[in-house]
Amino acid sequence: EAGVAQSPRYKIIEKRQSVAFWCNPISGHATLYWYQQILGQGPKLLIQFQNNGVVDDSQLPKDRFSAERLKGVDSTLKIQPAKLEDSAVYLCASSPDGREDQPQHFGDGTRLSIL
Amino acid sequence: GNSVTQMEGPVTLSEEAFLTINCTYTATGYPSLFWYVQYPGEGLQLLLKATKADDKGSNKGFEATYRKETTSFHLEKGSVQVSDSAVYFCALSGADSNYQLIWGAGTKLIIKP
Repeated sequence: EAGVAQSPRYKIIEKRQSVAFWCNPISGHATLYWYQQILGQGPKLLIQFQNNGVVDDSQLPKDRFSAERLKGVDSTLKIQPAKLEDSAVYLCASSPDGREDQPQHFGDGTRLSIL
Repeated sequence: GNSVTQMEGPVTLSEEAFLTINCTYTATGYPSLFWYVQYPGEGLQLLLKATKADDKGSNKGFEATYRKETTSFHLEKGSVQVSDSAVYFCALSGADSNYQLIWGAGTKLIIKP
């Protein structure tokens, strides 16, 4: 089966600019996650979708970050305006339906550098 | 709340050495436990998992046993290779964290030839 696809792989922008990331989960996976991974740390969950509804966005900085999953398939994560502390790898993951015994499948991530 | 604690890295070993990376957790009930691996420049890959007490997860020569009595899920491998160099993350998923993954901080493993 095809894995989780993310694009772009790398992005360099200046602070206060905007940026968007795209994720296509594994076919048939209802649950989609966006994580932020700062260098040397574990992933931090930003938002979790179940189909096209938001399950948890409690750690999403909503003043600058937004995410959507139209039609319950692929998803975009946007940052506007970007800050220096947003430099990180943004990982997308999916699982069949979010049950606790189901592993999450990760994409290769988008490495974002803010100048 | 739920939490995962891993041994700090980096862990540096010679090829063919025995590996142990410690992981302990705090959770109510019976969470599922996972080890993920992250190779340089790549996303996270599931290495192995265990969903109930005394289960042993295994993959690619790595093993970890779900120990409820010691709340541990230590990762072991009998003979490491240079290609095992990566960052290893322990994680749990349980009902009281809405089945979201709770992550350890990661342990960087460096294998020298």
